[in-house]
Amino acid sequence: AQKVTQAQTEISVVEKEDVTLDCVYETRDTTYYLFWYKQPPSGELVFLIRRNSFDEQNEISGRYSWNFQKSTSSFNFTITASQVVDSAVYFCALSEADTDKLIFGTGTRLQVFP
Amino acid sequence: DTGVSQNPRHKITKRGQNVTFRCDPISEHNRLYWYRQTLGQGPEFLTYFQNEAQLEKSRLLSDRFSAERPKGSFSTLEIQRTEQGDSAMYLCASSSSWTGGTEAFFGQGTRLTVV
Repeated sequence: AQKVTQAQTEISVVEKEDVTLDCVYETRDTTYYLFWYKQPPSGELVFLIRRNSFDEQNEISGRYSWNFQKSTSSFNFTITASQVVDSAVYFCALSEADTDKLIFGTGTRLQVFP
Repeated sequence: DTGVSQNPRHKITKRGQNVTFRCDPISEHNRLYWYRQTLGQGPEFLTYFQNEAQLEKSRLLSDRFSAERPKGSFSTLEIQRTEQGDSAMYLCASSSSWTGGTEAFFGQGTRLTVV
């Protein structure tokens, strides 16, 4: 069975701090995709990144970076120099190769204080 | 194209009433998904369509729930005889299979409150 675990329910940081959101996944598939979505208070899920199971290269996009490690089944997300606008709930998700159906974790609520 | 559109944004209904939600996907997307999100939880998959065919339904989708996607364009999700436990945010997403799998784009959701 597929499963995504986000053990951190809520994280609070002060602006400009770095913060890492953890994600651990379980799947029997050899081909799969991993995602991060942001859900601000408005409610809409905003796509951040998609990574396939064969690409373990870490990725950096501005202040965001992602660390994918198949050996530990983890796909962690780091925000560098956090800002108040980063405050949201962040979801990690997993999908099978032949469908875009997403299995979500329970989310991590990030609060960034000025 | 302005993205995935869901209507209504909010719906309050009395227990036992039927409700219907609509989702208009991104026009070139052939896959459409419905998810349900309750407070403090991640979205849970309900069902998905590829074109007009409903290819998968979750066990969460009881007999009171039905989804359609006539002509492979917009989709409707109907809940019959609503119960208080149906109160949740219902999210629609769309994606394209033509490019071998892409990210799903989500609408803003329909928040259902059953009183």
